[in-house]
Amino acid sequence: DQQVKQNSPSLSVQEGRISILNCDYTNSMFDYFLWYKKYPAEGPTFLISISSIKDKNEDGRFTVFLNKSAKHLSLHIVPSQPGDSAVYFCAASAQTASKLTFGTGTRLQVTL
Amino acid sequence: NAGVMQNPRHLVRRRGQEARLRCSPMKGHSHVYWYRQLPEEGLKFMVYLQKENIIDESGMPKERFSAEFPKEGPSILRIQQVVRGDSAAYFCASSPGTAEAFFGQGTRLTVV
Repeated sequence: DQQVKQNSPSLSVQEGRISILNCDYTNSMFDYFLWYKKYPAEGPTFLISISSIKDKNEDGRFTVFLNKSAKHLSLHIVPSQPGDSAVYFCAASAQTASKLTFGTGTRLQVTL
Repeated sequence: NAGVMQNPRHLVRRRGQEARLRCSPMKGHSHVYWYRQLPEEGLKFMVYLQKENIIDESGMPKERFSAEFPKEGPSILRIQQVVRGDSAAYFCASSPGTAEAFFGQGTRLTVV
């Protein structure tokens, strides 16, 4: 039972354009959502998070949007840079400091 | 401030041997999590520990796997009598008690 889903396994975007990565969840108990970036042979790097009491959180080029009624969140990266090419994982938790449930990831490629 | 340290980075074991994976959390973090990533899959939660206590082991296989986080020293994930299906990347993460968890570089276990 995949409680966190990233339906796009890959995404290709031109440098300078916006990258939009999507994530859907099914568990209504999730109240905290995070995005991680992962390069091959490295551990995931925390990017940005959002609490269920908010619908938007912004940090530099990264913005996360949460639509609770649709159980959907998205990560916007603008402008996209070649160094952003990596696998992006969406994750959710049901309470602070509890385990994270991850999606299967979306491979982003930013082309020149 | 050093990040989460995992060692070894790579570990090769023959079937039937034991594997010990170590994780030192970030300074000031008392919450430790272990995740496993099988080839071409997302990260799966295994176990959540605080000092000397297992908080959630719902993701741990019932047999051969154990974890500890002693009062002194690193957290240890122990796999007894390894089988080929145990080959994976094992990631440790730590947090100060918030939802944001910070990951180590991982240990890549290969069972031959």
